[in-house]
Amino acid sequence: AQTVTQSQPEMSVQEAETVTLSCTYDTSESDYYLFWYKQPPSRQMILVIRQEAYKQQNATENRFSVNFQKAAKSFSLKISDSQLGDAAMYFCAYRSPPATGNQFYFGTGTSLTVIP
Amino acid sequence: NAGVTQTPKFRVLKTGQSMTLLCAQDMNHEYMYWYRQDPGMGLRLIHYSVGEGTTAKGEVPDGYNVSRLKKQNFLLGLESAAPSQTSVYFCASKRAVATYEQYFGPGTRLTVT
Repeated sequence: AQTVTQSQPEMSVQEAETVTLSCTYDTSESDYYLFWYKQPPSRQMILVIRQEAYKQQNATENRFSVNFQKAAKSFSLKISDSQLGDAAMYFCAYRSPPATGNQFYFGTGTSLTVIP
Repeated sequence: NAGVTQTPKFRVLKTGQSMTLLCAQDMNHEYMYWYRQDPGMGLRLIHYSVGEGTTAKGEVPDGYNVSRLKKQNFLLGLESAAPSQTSVYFCASKRAVATYEQYFGPGTRLTVT
């Protein structure tokens, strides 16, 4: 099974500042996808951003961007101009290729606090 | 278009009782997944299905069974509930096309006493 590691159980950031959440993964596969999900207190899982492994360009979605280092198997999430609504648990996820059923493997999460 | 729905939202069981969790999606997705979420553990895949009539084991399948008799429904069964199965259960679905992410249901909180 693949492993996804989030080494920061908790992080905090001042409102309007920038924060980076770390994620590393272990795989021998080449055709995979990486995701960041946000889970607010409502429990609903919300997709933040995704990255295809074959793309060298880092994905961006408004204030959210990733730093994808394929050789290092690292996939960090940068949140710019942090807002109070960004406070949530953030999960990094790895998706295996279609040949293995597109299984998703999640990290243990990082709890982000935004300080007003 | 309701997306992914889960029934029930909450349930309390006694050890040894059985129950079935229902997941339904109206997006015509081929793939469906059942996860459990425990504190400090993230989401772990229990079982998944890549199409109607098919199921496969995930990371933590023991103590659970699943069925996918209809494309839109994915059932998770607990034949004899144990306190270790106290958790929040999430269902998700996705299209078979490689670029699409999965869509999650709102979760079911199950407590086994």
